[in-house]
Amino acid sequence: NAGVTQTPKFQVLKTGQSMTLQCAQDMNHEYMSWYRQDPGMGLRLIHYSVGAGITDQGEVPNGYNVSRSTTEDFPLRLLSAAPSQTSVYFCASSYGTSGMNEQFFGPGTRLTVL
Amino acid sequence: AQKVTQAQTEISVVEKEDVTLDCVYETRDTTYYLFWYKQPPSGELVFLIRRNSFDEQNEISGRYSWNFQKSTSSFNFTITASQVVDSAVYFCALREIGTASKLTFGTGTRLQVTL
Repeated sequence: NAGVTQTPKFQVLKTGQSMTLQCAQDMNHEYMSWYRQDPGMGLRLIHYSVGAGITDQGEVPNGYNVSRSTTEDFPLRLLSAAPSQTSVYFCASSYGTSGMNEQFFGPGTRLTVL
Repeated sequence: AQKVTQAQTEISVVEKEDVTLDCVYETRDTTYYLFWYKQPPSGELVFLIRRNSFDEQNEISGRYSWNFQKSTSSFNFTITASQVVDSAVYFCALREIGTASKLTFGTGTRLQVTL
């Protein structure tokens, strides 16, 4: 199993550009989520999904869109990049939706918006 | 609302010292889960332990041990005889039952172990 994979690993955007961060998992996990990590702030939840076709907002959803058409994939779209979105982005997945299971994290995508 | 506080921003120790990382949480739920993750300099997040709110038994795994106390809402992590490879950022996190989602992280404690 590859676990949770994310692409790209690094990305530089100009303000106003859009892009999609890719996330895939091969563990058949129902739950998937996106976090951003900023210095001194830990990880904050952006969006999450409890299954294909079901998504919801987390703590910091503004400026981001998600969709979940398959169990495996959970892409994160930046609609119009802003310097405030410079961060490291982590995708995670877990088995079940009760909250009891640990989340498996991808390697992260480091995004810089100029 | 749930909240996790890691008051120690950075800790520096000399190798072989014992070190305790503090974690205090807030939640209104009676059923919840607590986690510790490690983030080494390479950047990935590594799961260390999960504890549910009904299990206050402390746990030891090699040089690692965890002390969960509901009375003080704390879930502290101790590394015995620290090693340079323990240098990392450690995150404590809380997840309420049924939320299926909101893993709330603390801000992390950076541990630096030197020779």
